[in-house]
Amino acid sequence: GQQLNQSPQSMFIQEGEDVSMNCTSSSIFNTWLWYKQDPGEGPVLLIALYKAGELTSNGRLTAQFGITRKDSFLNISASIPSDVGIYFCAGRRPSNTGKLIFGQGTTLQVKP
Amino acid sequence: GAVVSQHPSRVICKSGTSVKIECRSLDFQATTMFWYRQFPKQSLMLMATSNEGSKATYEQGVEKDKFLINHASLTLSTLTVTSAHPEDSSFYICSALREVAGGPQYFGPGTRLLVL
Repeated sequence: GQQLNQSPQSMFIQEGEDVSMNCTSSSIFNTWLWYKQDPGEGPVLLIALYKAGELTSNGRLTAQFGITRKDSFLNISASIPSDVGIYFCAGRRPSNTGKLIFGQGTTLQVKP
Repeated sequence: GAVVSQHPSRVICKSGTSVKIECRSLDFQATTMFWYRQFPKQSLMLMATSNEGSKATYEQGVEKDKFLINHASLTLSTLTVTSAHPEDSSFYICSALREVAGGPQYFGPGTRLLVL
Protein backbone atom coordinates (compact mmCIF):
# COMPACT_ATOMS: atom_id res chain seq x y z
CA GLY A 1 0.00 0.00 0.00
CA GLN A 2 0.94 3.62 -0.24
CA GLN A 3 3.38 5.00 2.30
CA LEU A 4 4.54 8.42 3.22
CA ASN A 5 8.16 9.40 2.61
CA GLN A 6 9.71 9.67 6.05
CA SER A 7 13.29 10.77 6.64
CA PRO A 8 15.79 10.20 7.89
CA GLN A 9 15.54 6.42 8.08
CA SER A 10 17.76 6.32 11.15
CA MET A 11 19.64 8.66 13.43
CA PHE A 12 22.39 8.13 15.97
CA ILE A 13 22.88 11.17 18.16
CA GLN A 14 24.48 12.28 21.38
CA GLU A 15 22.35 12.81 24.48
CA GLY A 16 21.32 16.45 24.72
CA GLU A 17 21.18 17.05 20.99
CA ASP A 18 18.07 18.14 19.15
CA VAL A 19 16.46 15.85 16.58
CA SER A 20 14.35 16.61 13.55
CA MET A 21 12.49 14.23 11.25
CA ASN A 22 9.88 14.80 8.58
CA CYS A 23 7.30 13.22 6.33
CA THR A 24 6.22 14.25 2.87
CA SER A 25 3.52 13.13 0.50
CA SER A 26 2.36 13.90 -3.00
CA SER A 27 -1.22 13.95 -1.71
CA ILE A 28 -3.04 16.29 0.64
CA PHE A 29 -3.79 15.13 4.17
CA ASN A 30 -6.27 16.53 6.67
CA THR A 31 -4.67 14.89 9.70
CA TRP A 32 -1.06 14.22 10.65
CA LEU A 33 -0.14 12.01 13.59
CA TRP A 34 3.19 11.16 15.14
CA TYR A 35 3.72 7.90 17.03
CA LYS A 36 6.61 6.31 18.91
CA GLN A 37 7.07 2.55 19.01
CA ASP A 38 9.31 0.70 21.45
CA PRO A 39 10.51 -2.84 20.60
CA GLY A 40 7.74 -5.40 21.02
CA GLU A 41 5.13 -2.77 21.78
CA GLY A 42 2.37 -1.02 19.91
CA PRO A 43 2.78 2.58 18.72
CA VAL A 44 2.01 5.31 21.24
CA LEU A 45 0.47 8.57 20.08
CA LEU A 46 2.75 11.57 20.62
CA ILE A 47 1.10 14.45 18.78
CA ALA A 48 -2.00 14.90 16.61
CA LEU A 49 -2.34 17.73 14.09
CA TYR A 50 -5.58 18.71 12.37
CA LYS A 51 -5.06 22.10 10.69
CA ALA A 52 -2.61 23.31 8.08
CA GLY A 53 0.07 25.42 9.76
CA GLU A 54 -0.74 24.04 13.20
CA LEU A 55 2.24 23.86 15.55
CA THR A 56 1.78 21.67 18.62
CA SER A 57 4.08 20.77 21.49
CA ASN A 58 4.11 17.88 23.92
CA GLY A 59 6.91 18.42 26.42
CA ARG A 60 10.19 18.34 24.50
CA LEU A 61 8.40 17.33 21.31
CA THR A 62 7.11 19.79 18.73
CA ALA A 63 5.33 18.93 15.50
CA GLN A 64 3.92 21.00 12.68
CA PHE A 65 1.30 20.43 10.01
CA GLY A 66 2.75 21.84 6.80
CA ILE A 67 1.01 24.75 5.08
CA THR A 68 0.74 22.78 1.85
CA ARG A 69 -0.94 19.92 3.80
CA LYS A 70 1.57 17.57 2.18
CA ASP A 71 4.18 17.43 4.91
CA SER A 72 4.83 17.42 8.63
CA PHE A 73 7.87 17.49 10.86
CA LEU A 74 8.65 16.37 14.39
CA ASN A 75 11.36 17.93 16.53
CA ILE A 76 12.73 16.52 19.76
CA SER A 77 14.76 18.91 21.87
CA ALA A 78 17.48 17.97 24.34
CA SER A 79 17.27 14.24 23.64
CA ILE A 80 17.59 11.73 26.46
CA PRO A 81 18.28 7.97 26.37
CA SER A 82 14.59 7.06 26.76
CA ASP A 83 13.86 8.81 23.46
CA VAL A 84 15.30 5.74 21.77
CA GLY A 85 12.77 3.99 19.57
CA ILE A 86 11.09 4.11 16.18
CA TYR A 87 9.08 7.19 15.29
CA PHE A 88 6.30 6.93 12.71
CA CYS A 89 4.38 9.65 10.99
CA ALA A 90 0.88 8.84 9.82
CA GLY A 91 -1.52 10.81 7.70
CA ARG A 92 -5.18 10.66 6.93
CA ARG A 93 -6.52 11.70 3.54
CA PRO A 94 -9.76 13.69 3.26
CA SER A 95 -11.40 10.81 1.38
CA ASN A 96 -10.45 8.07 3.85
CA THR A 97 -12.73 7.26 6.74
CA GLY A 98 -10.34 6.81 9.63
CA LYS A 99 -7.67 4.92 7.69
CA LEU A 100 -4.08 6.01 8.20
CA ILE A 101 -1.14 5.91 5.83
CA PHE A 102 2.18 5.37 7.59
CA GLY A 103 5.70 6.50 6.97
CA GLN A 104 8.54 3.98 6.93
CA GLY A 105 9.69 5.07 10.38
CA THR A 106 12.77 6.80 11.80
CA THR A 107 14.92 4.76 14.16
CA LEU A 108 16.47 6.95 16.81
CA GLN A 109 19.43 5.92 18.90
CA VAL A 110 20.79 8.16 21.65
CA LYS A 111 24.27 7.81 23.02
CA PRO A 112 24.50 8.71 26.72
CA GLY B 1 -6.77 8.49 28.34
CA ALA B 2 -7.57 6.11 25.55
CA VAL B 3 -6.48 2.60 26.41
CA VAL B 4 -6.57 -0.33 24.02
CA SER B 5 -5.71 -3.83 25.16
CA GLN B 6 -4.86 -6.96 23.22
CA HIS B 7 -4.94 -10.56 24.30
CA PRO B 8 -2.89 -12.67 24.18
CA SER B 9 0.36 -10.73 24.08
CA ARG B 10 2.15 -13.67 22.53
CA VAL B 11 1.08 -17.08 21.27
CA ILE B 12 2.87 -20.11 19.89
CA CYS B 13 0.79 -22.60 17.96
CA LYS B 14 1.17 -25.59 15.68
CA SER B 15 0.72 -25.29 11.96
CA GLY B 16 -2.89 -25.89 10.95
CA THR B 17 -4.48 -24.59 14.12
CA SER B 18 -6.52 -21.40 14.46
CA VAL B 19 -5.63 -18.52 16.74
CA LYS B 20 -7.95 -15.81 18.02
CA ILE B 21 -6.66 -12.39 19.05
CA GLU B 22 -8.85 -9.98 20.99
CA CYS B 23 -8.71 -6.20 20.85
CA ARG B 24 -10.59 -4.14 23.41
CA SER B 25 -11.05 -0.42 23.91
CA LEU B 26 -11.09 -0.11 27.69
CA ASP B 27 -12.29 3.41 28.36
CA PHE B 28 -14.09 4.46 25.20
CA GLN B 29 -16.41 3.10 22.56
CA ALA B 30 -14.94 2.39 19.16
CA THR B 31 -17.23 1.94 16.19
CA THR B 32 -14.16 1.39 14.05
CA MET B 33 -11.10 -0.69 14.81
CA PHE B 34 -8.19 -1.60 12.57
CA TRP B 35 -5.93 -4.62 12.32
CA TYR B 36 -2.32 -4.28 11.26
CA ARG B 37 0.54 -6.64 10.66
CA GLN B 38 4.15 -5.65 11.19
CA PHE B 39 7.29 -7.45 10.06
CA PRO B 40 10.65 -6.83 11.76
CA LYS B 41 12.14 -3.42 11.02
CA GLN B 42 9.18 -2.47 8.86
CA SER B 43 6.24 -0.14 9.11
CA LEU B 44 2.68 -1.13 9.93
CA MET B 45 0.69 -2.77 7.16
CA LEU B 46 -3.08 -2.32 7.36
CA MET B 47 -4.91 -5.61 6.97
CA ALA B 48 -8.53 -4.64 7.49
CA THR B 49 -10.97 -2.14 8.91
CA SER B 50 -13.39 -3.56 11.45
CA ASN B 51 -16.76 -1.85 11.82
CA GLU B 52 -19.13 -2.63 14.68
CA GLY B 53 -22.15 -4.52 13.48
CA SER B 54 -21.03 -4.93 9.89
CA LYS B 55 -18.56 -6.86 7.79
CA ALA B 56 -14.92 -5.93 7.87
CA THR B 57 -13.28 -4.22 4.91
CA TYR B 58 -10.09 -5.97 3.85
CA GLU B 59 -7.11 -4.40 2.14
CA GLN B 60 -6.02 -5.68 -1.23
CA GLY B 61 -4.11 -8.93 -0.97
CA VAL B 62 -5.42 -9.88 2.48
CA GLU B 63 -7.38 -13.15 2.47
CA LYS B 64 -10.69 -12.60 4.24
CA ASP B 65 -11.24 -16.32 4.74
CA LYS B 66 -7.89 -16.68 6.42
CA PHE B 67 -8.09 -13.63 8.65
CA LEU B 68 -11.59 -13.60 10.11
CA ILE B 69 -12.62 -10.40 11.81
CA ASN B 70 -15.59 -9.94 14.09
CA HIS B 71 -16.57 -6.62 15.70
CA ALA B 72 -19.38 -7.77 17.94
CA SER B 73 -19.55 -4.78 20.27
CA LEU B 74 -18.39 -1.18 20.54
CA THR B 75 -15.42 -2.27 22.65
CA LEU B 76 -14.33 -5.58 21.17
CA SER B 77 -12.96 -6.75 17.85
CA THR B 78 -11.41 -10.17 17.25
CA LEU B 79 -9.01 -11.40 14.60
CA THR B 80 -8.89 -15.14 13.99
CA VAL B 81 -6.00 -16.52 11.99
CA THR B 82 -7.42 -19.73 10.54
CA SER B 83 -5.30 -22.75 9.68
CA ALA B 84 -2.17 -20.88 10.62
CA HIS B 85 1.09 -21.58 8.79
CA PRO B 86 4.66 -20.51 9.60
CA GLU B 87 4.42 -17.63 7.12
CA ASP B 88 1.61 -16.18 9.27
CA SER B 89 4.10 -15.64 12.08
CA SER B 90 4.21 -11.92 12.71
CA PHE B 91 3.40 -9.07 15.07
CA TYR B 92 -0.31 -8.23 14.90
CA ILE B 93 -1.47 -4.87 16.23
CA CYS B 94 -4.97 -3.49 16.55
CA SER B 95 -6.05 0.11 16.88
CA ALA B 96 -9.29 1.84 17.76
CA LEU B 97 -10.74 5.08 16.51
CA ARG B 98 -12.01 7.14 19.41
CA GLU B 99 -14.14 9.49 17.36
CA VAL B 100 -15.76 8.66 14.06
CA ALA B 101 -13.30 9.50 11.28
CA GLY B 102 -11.78 12.61 12.84
CA GLY B 103 -9.76 11.44 15.83
CA PRO B 104 -6.44 9.63 16.10
CA GLN B 105 -6.10 5.87 16.25
CA TYR B 106 -5.02 4.43 19.59
CA PHE B 107 -3.01 1.24 19.36
CA GLY B 108 -2.97 -1.91 21.41
CA PRO B 109 0.30 -3.40 22.67
CA GLY B 110 0.42 -6.01 19.91
CA THR B 111 0.33 -9.80 19.74
CA ARG B 112 3.38 -11.81 18.73
CA LEU B 113 2.30 -14.93 16.82
CA LEU B 114 4.72 -17.77 16.18
CA VAL B 115 3.48 -20.71 14.12
CA LEU B 116 5.64 -23.81 14.30
